[in-house]
Amino acid sequence: DIQMTQSPASLSASVGETVTITCRASENIYSYLAWYQQKQGKSPQLLVYNAKTLAEGVPSRFSGSGSGTQFSLKINSLQPEDFGSYYCQHHYGTPLTFGAGTKLELK
Amino acid sequence: QVQLKESGPGLVAPSQSLSITCTVSGFSLTSYGVHWVRQPPGKGLEWLGVIWAGGSTNYNSALMSRLSISKDNSKSQVFLKMNSLQTDDTAMYYCARARGGSYWYFDVWGAGTTVTVSS
Repeated sequence: DIQMTQSPASLSASVGETVTITCRASENIYSYLAWYQQKQGKSPQLLVYNAKTLAEGVPSRFSGSGSGTQFSLKINSLQPEDFGSYYCQHHYGTPLTFGAGTKLELK
Repeated sequence: QVQLKESGPGLVAPSQSLSITCTVSGFSLTSYGVHWVRQPPGKGLEWLGVIWAGGSTNYNSALMSRLSISKDNSKSQVFLKMNSLQTDDTAMYYCARARGGSYWYFDVWGAGTTVTVSS
């Protein structure tokens, strides 16, 4: 199985700051990577797929990059609604696996 | 409006089986696959399996022996069945639509149904 390693596990930031979350795959997954945001008590929401394509309705302050084994999600100018947990997920064959998550908290 | 809604038993005794129904609206199961994902309390996400528009399935190999996914297109329902539940199967269970119908990531999720395995 492909292992997805996310870092950091937690992150404190202020409104207006820029943050970056990274995800590393245990083998080459080309650009088959998605990112999700999950707010407390809610189901996850798709942010990015194919490593860098924003899902419908996702603000442009979110951006995804990377290929192969190294990926990142960048959030520019954090807004209050951006705080929550973020998960990466490879979509290169089965089983699909997720990173352990990054909890983004308000400083 | 695209929606998915899970319904399940809430509480299951150890060694018993679990059945969850995902009822969808706003799209057709003959055009879209539906995945199942679970999340233990305070933990991360685990993919369980998928049933595709044509009815074929793929399962997480770690759970394949205990898992079955089926559907009724006419009722817009997808079914998850898992056998021999243990306490570490306690989780929120989500169904989620495959984006574009056949992709391996999920564009719309249900709100989830909580399953607690306990005697």
